Amino acid sequence: KAGVTQTPRYLIKTRGQQVTLSCSPISGHRSVSWYQQTPGQGLQFLFEYFSETQRNKGNFPGRFSGRQFSNSRSEMNVSTLELGDSALYLCASSHAGNQNNEQFFGPGTRLTVL
Amino acid sequence: QQQVKQSPQSLIVQKGGISIINCAYENTAFDYFPWYQQFPGKGPALLIAIRPDVSEKKEGRFTISFNKSAKQFSLHIMDSQPGDSATYFCAASSHGSSNTGKLIFGQGTTLQVKP
Repeated sequence: KAGVTQTPRYLIKTRGQQVTLSCSPISGHRSVSWYQQTPGQGLQFLFEYFSETQRNKGNFPGRFSGRQFSNSRSEMNVSTLELGDSALYLCASSHAGNQNNEQFFGPGTRLTVL
Repeated sequence: QQQVKQSPQSLIVQKGGISIINCAYENTAFDYFPWYQQFPGKGPALLIAIRPDVSEKKEGRFTISFNKSAKQFSLHIMDSQPGDSATYFCAASSHGSSNTGKLIFGQGTTLQVKP
């Protein structure tokens, strides 16, 4: 099975712009979670989608949003970018987001905000 | 209460030695404890995971020890190899409608295995 794929792998944006990141989960996986990884804050949960519905959300401002499509692919959007949004954005897929929470991560999208 | 505290921040081990990384948590509702390995430029890869109904789980050179009463768990890497040099993250989660898909991560441990 192919692993989790994320596009693009690298992005450079300027403050105030918006950005959309894409994630394709492992075939058959219906749950997609997004995380932000920074040297200072580590790995922090953004949100989780299952069957096109956001089921859970972390403590991030409303500028961070996402969606999931019927084929389980997911996108996350960050509007009005700030310097502090520079990070590695990771998505992880799991079979059903069940209690096992066995999540498999993609390679991430490295976002740099100038 | 949602935090997972990981130590040490960095670790240097000789080839063939044992690497030990520790994590502690407060939330007794946590019921799933995975460990991830991350190489530079890559996403975290699931190494091994444990549930609180067992005290130890071993997969190859990797062992998780779990102490429910102390709310601590640790990763032991036996016969450490230079290829094990990476950043290791412990994590925890609990089931329930408000926790789906959410892993709480420790701050990470950078392991260097010297040849």
